[in-house]
Amino acid sequence: DGGITQSPKYLFRKEGQNVTLSCEQNLNHDAMYWYRQDPGQGLRLIYYSQIVNDFQKGDIAEGYSVSREKKESFPLTVTSAQKNPTAFYLCASSMTPDPTPPQHFGDGTRLSIL
Amino acid sequence: RKEVEQDPGPFNVPEGATVAFNCTYSNSASQSFFWYRQDCRKEPKLLMSVYSSGNEDGRFTAQLNRASQYISLLIRDSKLSDSATYLCVDPTGTASKLTFGTGTRLQVTL
Repeated sequence: DGGITQSPKYLFRKEGQNVTLSCEQNLNHDAMYWYRQDPGQGLRLIYYSQIVNDFQKGDIAEGYSVSREKKESFPLTVTSAQKNPTAFYLCASSMTPDPTPPQHFGDGTRLSIL
Repeated sequence: RKEVEQDPGPFNVPEGATVAFNCTYSNSASQSFFWYRQDCRKEPKLLMSVYSSGNEDGRFTAQLNRASQYISLLIRDSKLSDSATYLCVDPTGTASKLTFGTGTRLQVTL
């Protein structure tokens, strides 16, 4: 089955630690996205990538970094500079980078501070 | 004013009822929107799109009112399985302009 796989499902971060969230898709989609969702809030865009080896900052990129070395993979690193990382992180993809919402989401990673 | 606003609810309705909720938007140039459904602690899933002509899919009807700048989602004959949070999305512009509402929670009860 085609889809988006995020791992791990739950992640705990210690103070001062960088952690990386994995996102893999086998849909052959060009565009990939990372969102953050806090309780009672909508999804906020962290980073997006429209093509391999290219990515752009979203609305809340500070404290995060990404890479897009392969079409199917778009890992997100939450750095120690992100002071409030506890949230639900969602990766998504869409077939094209047109102004169309992501059609497919992964099932998310819940990140918490130890 | 927020770019996309939704009443957070919850809307508590009995099974079989008809329920509707709205989403207001601020970008007058927006011509299409999307509704997503998100179950508790799960990822959002695309429910339906809505353009100026509206959209109907089974028990679900979405309408766009450009004059008053809101979209609506109507659910007829509510089922217990309809219980979820419904997010509206304004896709206007580039990816960085995608705007999600905070969602409206629907709880269908026996």
